[in-house]
Amino acid sequence: NAGVTQTPKFQVLKTGQSMTLQCAQDMNHEYMSWYRQDPGMGLRLIHYSVGAGITDQGEVPNGYNVSRSTTEDFPLRLLSAAPSQTSVYFCASSPWGSGANVLTFGAGSRLTVL
Amino acid sequence: SQQGEEDPQALSIQEGENATMNCSYKTSINNLQWYRQNSGRGLVHLILIRSNEREKHSGRLRVTLDTSKKSSSLLITASRAADTASYFCATEIDGNKLVFGAGTILRVKS
Repeated sequence: NAGVTQTPKFQVLKTGQSMTLQCAQDMNHEYMSWYRQDPGMGLRLIHYSVGAGITDQGEVPNGYNVSRSTTEDFPLRLLSAAPSQTSVYFCASSPWGSGANVLTFGAGSRLTVL
Repeated sequence: SQQGEEDPQALSIQEGENATMNCSYKTSINNLQWYRQNSGRGLVHLILIRSNEREKHSGRLRVTLDTSKKSSSLLITASRAADTASYFCATEIDGNKLVFGAGTILRVKS
């Protein structure tokens, strides 16, 4: 049981490049989300999904796109990377409808934009 | 804006001592959760307390919730070096968004 798997673990981009951070979970969780973590600011919600075909914005959605074509996968796309998007990104999932949103996190993806 | 804010920002104690960290939040909640993050790793859920509960225990962890003051505390008793980590409170808003505070960095010296 792998839980939540994020790839890649590390990535360096140049300003303006695009890329996709992958997230997959094997727990049949309906709820999936993306957070970014910056020093001194905790985690901030970027986008989330309550099921296949349904996505919504979090606190800091600008510059990011998501889609949810399957229950298992929730990729995060950076359309045109900017230095301000240098951060550690975490994907998390939970069994939606359980009465409380208890998240299982992936190990994180560290992104540097030059 | 952050819903939850932890206090203190950093805490350094000796092994065997108790560690207390606090969380304040702004709006009404259904539940409050605490997570731990070891350096370079993802967050791990520790404990959840619902709005109609005042105290909850899990092993060496004790969580209290005061909804009138919009605050919660996490107590770790008899701390160990392995408890060295960052601790975050998280509150659920809008029925599905989990909002995290900035965290408390705990260092337990052996």
